Amino acid sequence: EDQVTQSPEALRLQEGESSSLNCSYTVSGLRGLFWYRQDPGKGPEFLFTLYSAGEEKEKERLKATLTKKESFLHITAPKPEDSATYLCAVRSNMEYGNKLVFGAGTILRVKS
Amino acid sequence: DTAVSQTPKYLVTQMGNDKSIKCEQNLGHDTMYWYKQDSKKFLKIMFSYNNKELIINETVPNRFSPKSPDKAHLNLHINSLELGDSAVYFCASSQSIGELFFGEGSRLTVL
Repeated sequence: EDQVTQSPEALRLQEGESSSLNCSYTVSGLRGLFWYRQDPGKGPEFLFTLYSAGEEKEKERLKATLTKKESFLHITAPKPEDSATYLCAVRSNMEYGNKLVFGAGTILRVKS
Repeated sequence: DTAVSQTPKYLVTQMGNDKSIKCEQNLGHDTMYWYKQDSKKFLKIMFSYNNKELIINETVPNRFSPKSPDKAHLNLHINSLELGDSAVYFCASSQSIGELFFGEGSRLTVL
């Protein structure tokens, strides 16, 4: 069964203090790893898709990387507006359709 | 103009009642989904429709019945509500196997 584990569960950073969120996955043939951001009371907002080990994508202060077992979301010099829950999800080769399996998320709080 | 919109945003009801949540997307996508987010924040897929055809049907009680009148709409009807049905239900859409775009969620509270 496909599984996604995110760590830490919660992370508090000072503004400007860079850090990384981890997403470990077990999947029968990876057909995409996704990062989403979710603000309180809102739906998840798409950030990145990664398809193969070694791939990297960047958007503003965020950079996502992928290995064969895990993905990292690096946050460089975060600002308070980066505070949100970050969700990781995987799509498997073995699943029909566009089924994503999500992790529980990492709650990020950035204090000014 | 909201891309994926769901109504109602909040729903409070008694056990045993029947309720519906409606979803509409204006992105021109061909695939729509219902996801459930429980109190532990896990998002789990319930159903997926592609051009009005049911393609994903996870292990969900028969009390939950999706209906897609056209590819821009996907509704969720829940019969005989139970306490454990309390959760946030998210509608989403995508173009085939592309990234999902989510609505803002419908928070269901069963008393």
